Amino acid sequence: DGGITQSPKYLFRKEGQNVTLSCEQNLNHDAMYWYRQDPGQGLRLIYYSQIVNDFQKGDIAEGYSVSREKKESFPLTVTSAQKNPTAFYLCASTPWLAGATDTQYFGPGTRLTVL
Amino acid sequence: QQQVKQSPQSLIVQKGGISIINCAYENTAFDYFPWYQQFPGKGPALLIAIRPDVSEKKEGRFTISFNKSAKQFSLHIMDSQPGDSATYFCAATYQGGKLIFGQGTELSVKP
Repeated sequence: DGGITQSPKYLFRKEGQNVTLSCEQNLNHDAMYWYRQDPGQGLRLIYYSQIVNDFQKGDIAEGYSVSREKKESFPLTVTSAQKNPTAFYLCASTPWLAGATDTQYFGPGTRLTVL
Repeated sequence: QQQVKQSPQSLIVQKGGISIINCAYENTAFDYFPWYQQFPGKGPALLIAIRPDVSEKKEGRFTISFNKSAKQFSLHIMDSQPGDSATYFCAATYQGGKLIFGQGTELSVKP
């Protein structure tokens, strides 16, 4: 059963804590993405990675960090430097073909709430 | 230039009616225009997509109309059903697949 899994589904964090959101895919996709979704807004790109051990900042990278040690995994850490972290976080992946575009497949999301 | 502007923000349609959602863009380098459907608490899923060399694409009850000169594209949902009630996002991308999303339209289809 191929797809993208995100865990946990719900996450609660106290202010000042770092938390890590998991994203795993078994689609053999090269590129992976992290988005943040706030009510009434579109998806905003946090970080993306096209190959293992390489990643680029998106539009709202401040207060977040990522790693890409394995092709199938792209965890996102929300640090205490992120001032307003309460949001719905979505991970996506896509096959990477140089110069081409392709469908992005999304995971089910993690809802993070800061208490 | 990187923005995709989507309207309306919310839409209420009677069952059997036509739902129309519009998007506009500025960057002429965009070469792929997907629409995503998202149900509450779920991740978005690709609904239908179009490339700028085509003016219209239809899949079942869903149609994308594309106007390259006006830099606009729209989603039409024919015979709208209560099960179509969801949030719809248009998006645009170029080259490396970095998607630029519209703000989303919350569609409610009343029985």
